[in-house]
Amino acid sequence: QSALTQPRSVSGFRGQSVTISCSGTSGDIGRYNHVSWYQQHPDKAPKVMIFDVNKRPAGVPDRFSGSKSGNTASLTISALQGDDEGDYYCCSSTGSYSHVFGSGTKVTVL
Amino acid sequence: QIQLVQSGAEVRKPGASVRVSCKASGYTFTNFYIQWVRQAPGHGLEWMGIINPGGGSTTYAEKFRGRVTLTRDTSTRTVYMELRSLRSEDTGVYYCARGEFDMDVWGQGTTVIVSS
Repeated sequence: QSALTQPRSVSGFRGQSVTISCSGTSGDIGRYNHVSWYQQHPDKAPKVMIFDVNKRPAGVPDRFSGSKSGNTASLTISALQGDDEGDYYCCSSTGSYSHVFGSGTKVTVL
Repeated sequence: QIQLVQSGAEVRKPGASVRVSCKASGYTFTNFYIQWVRQAPGHGLEWMGIINPGGGSTTYAEKFRGRVTLTRDTSTRTVYMELRSLRSEDTGVYYCARGEFDMDVWGQGTTVIVSS
């Protein structure tokens, strides 16, 4: 199973919005609604920001939103803040309890 | 509080095996799956496998099938990940995480270094 495709990097000014895409296939993102997004700061464990395509865990700001269209999922971060800088990974179920991660996107706040 | 605590760093020679533990606390151990994720230095997250602590059933990523085994001990609320026939490319940080689909609680990570 190849990694899902994400842009290597995205950037935006404080207060602006950025969107990260996650491209898969009809066998993963296109078939299942179990798409999640993780934020990782340097030398830290990942943290779930979105699950089941568009649901936010308790404590995650509503500036973070998720969506899916066809074989592509997206994470949008609105009103960018400095602490939003880090690496972001999408993850999708591929059936039979298997999963695949995206290649990762580095978010820079200008 | 709900947490997963992993065992400490390991150094192994190529060809050896390593076993990493992940001890759960603060929730009903058998009600939540545990997944394992690897991160090589400077690289992204890589999904390795999943275990159901309730029944012990497992699923492994094709890349690791035959080299990795996940087991659990319900008496100690601990999940184990064993990786065999280690090579230098297996160097990295190994995480356990709770969840059947999304991973809502993560361990602190265990560094495994494979070097001759």
